[in-house]
Formats: sequence, structure tokens, C-alpha cells
Amino acid sequence: DTGVSQDPRHKITKRGQNVTFRCDPISEHNRLYWYRQTLGQGPEFLTYFQNEAQLEKSRLLSDRFSAERPKGSFSTLEIQRTEQGDSAMYLCASSSTQDPRKVGYTFGSGTRLTVV
Amino acid sequence: QQQVKQSPQSLIVQKGGISIINCAYENTAFDYFPWYQQFPGKGPALLIAIRPDVSEKKEGRFTISFNKSAKQFSLHIMDSQPGDSATYFCAGRLDSSYKLIFGSGTRLLVRP
Repeated sequence: DTGVSQDPRHKITKRGQNVTFRCDPISEHNRLYWYRQTLGQGPEFLTYFQNEAQLEKSRLLSDRFSAERPKGSFSTLEIQRTEQGDSAMYLCASSSTQDPRKVGYTFGSGTRLTVV
Repeated sequence: QQQVKQSPQSLIVQKGGISIINCAYENTAFDYFPWYQQFPGKGPALLIAIRPDVSEKKEGRFTISFNKSAKQFSLHIMDSQPGDSATYFCAGRLDSSYKLIFGSGTRLLVRP
């Protein structure tokens, strides 16, 4: 197991275009989280899944954002009609509810989105 | 109420010195307090964590001190090394969702 993988690592898109990011969690982890991090700030929670169910969405996640986790494995985060304010690092993390002593989950290296 | 306040924003320490980063929280629903280390272009990596019923935890050169009554906790890095230069984030974990609420980060520079 090589940890949490995110693809692509970098994405440059024109304003108004749609983008989709992928996250592959650690295989035995049943929870998957998406965070957004802007320059000089801490990560902010966007949404999380337990298995395939999306259990919580932040108010930061506007209608232009949608996330899925089909079959409880990998997850995708799509942003429609991108805006310059969407430029950020999008981080994925996974954890297991079967091992609650692992307090911190494992983050991927993120996808850096730049909207021009 | 969910906020975690972190200070200082940046810190410069000489090699061999002690780096101290402080955090404060309000939300009593936090059940765990991790610290993350982040290098440029990388995701945050768990450094050390503490439960609120413990006053101190030490792992190698890293120590968390926790004051439950004051709702404050801090990270101490002993014998700081240039390789410790990174951004450090404290966080509180919400007990139901395991959602993390992060502080705003501290950029640490350890000078040789």
C-alpha cells in the first residue's frame, strides 16, 4: 500500500471550465475526506464519505461542487464552471473507523488547481 | 465555536533551540488534538497527537503539552534542526465525524 494517491497533481484550467479530481484512499480505509487549502491557511473541510455514503458537506461546498465515492473505493471531486476563487490545493485523506486510535488520517499530496 | 486559533504565524529558531507553537480552542466536542507537519508541495503528515485527558505526550524531540481547563495546547520541538523547517498545523478532531478543524499554521524556519 502506497498511501493516499491523488490525480492529477496540478491542474490549470480556464475560468468556466469543469474539472474533476480523483482520490484513491488506503485500501482498508472506509472513510474518505476532502479538504481545500489556500495559500498560507490550514486545510478546510469540504465533505466526507463513509464507504459510499456522503455523510456531511460543508457550506463551503457550493452547488458547483460535487463529490462521489462509487462502491466505497476511489472518490472524485468535480467543480463545474470554475471561478478564480476556486484556485487552491485540494487534499484528500482517508481513515478507518475500525482503528479509532489512529487519530490522524493519512493525507494525499493534493491536487493544486489554478483557474486563469 | 469550531475555530482553532494558532500562534505565532511564523517562527525563526537557531539550530539546537526549542520551537514552541501554541493553539487554543473553544469546541468541547473535540476529542483528539493532532499536530501536522507540511512541507511545500506535500500534504500534511501526522506528527504527534494527544487526547484531552492527558496533560503531556512526548515522542522523540516532539512534545505536546495540554491544558484542558484553559483549552490550550502547545507543541514543543526540542533541539530544532534545519530539517524541521516546515509549516505546522494544530487541529481538533470532532468526535463523531472525525472531521478535523485546523489552525491557520505556523511557518517554522530553523537556521543552521
